[in-house]
Amino acid sequence: QLQLQESGPGLVRPSETLSLTCTVSGGSISTSNYYWGWIRQPPGKGLEWIGTFYYNGNTYYNPSLKSRITISVDTSKNQFSLKLNSVTAADTAVYYCARDGAFPGRLGYWGQGTLVTVSS
Amino acid sequence: QSVLTQPPSASGTPGQRVSISCSGSSSNIGKNTVNWYQQLPGTAPKLLIYSNNQRPSGVPDRFSGSKSGTSASLAISGLQSEDEADYYCAAWDDSLNGVVFGGGTKLTVL
Repeated sequence: QLQLQESGPGLVRPSETLSLTCTVSGGSISTSNYYWGWIRQPPGKGLEWIGTFYYNGNTYYNPSLKSRITISVDTSKNQFSLKLNSVTAADTAVYYCARDGAFPGRLGYWGQGTLVTVSS
Repeated sequence: QSVLTQPPSASGTPGQRVSISCSGSSSNIGKNTVNWYQQLPGTAPKLLIYSNNQRPSGVPDRFSGSKSGTSASLAISGLQSEDEADYYCAAWDDSLNGVVFGGGTKLTVL
């Protein structure tokens, strides 16, 4: 059974960099036919797509966040990561990692999510 | 302001059929398939419908999806109390080159 688990600091200072890692078990990130991505949800609000990548290097980012985000992958550890720099209180959210489909948008497996609070 | 438009709330009584709409444009729903997610309180979203009208394994056939032009709908028949949740539509947007979500619809079972 495929499982995803987010990890990283729960508190980040304003203007600093948010860093999260998603560890995948029960399946390989390098498997073809699947994209992998990040989604976030501010408290009490809706879902926002952050970005997604394919194991061969294709990466898509939310245009509104593109200048601040980097998604990278470590296939040796079966992990992928999110870095979001210059954070503000507006970046406070539950961050989810997920396995997407053969084309982005069909997010079939989700991690449980991790709350990241931006505050001094 | 979400790219895809959903009603903020919907409600129904047990056993009823309810429908949730999702309105988009030619660059998203008009050209690409729609996926629906169910988010129960305090949990991660779950894929409910993919490719407009397909149900993943384990999703009851009470849930169905449809698409016409630049709009899509999720229908729930035989409403049950455990269906009380937030529902989101999503699609790929060719103009934004990314996934767009609806703002979500909170379904209340009266």
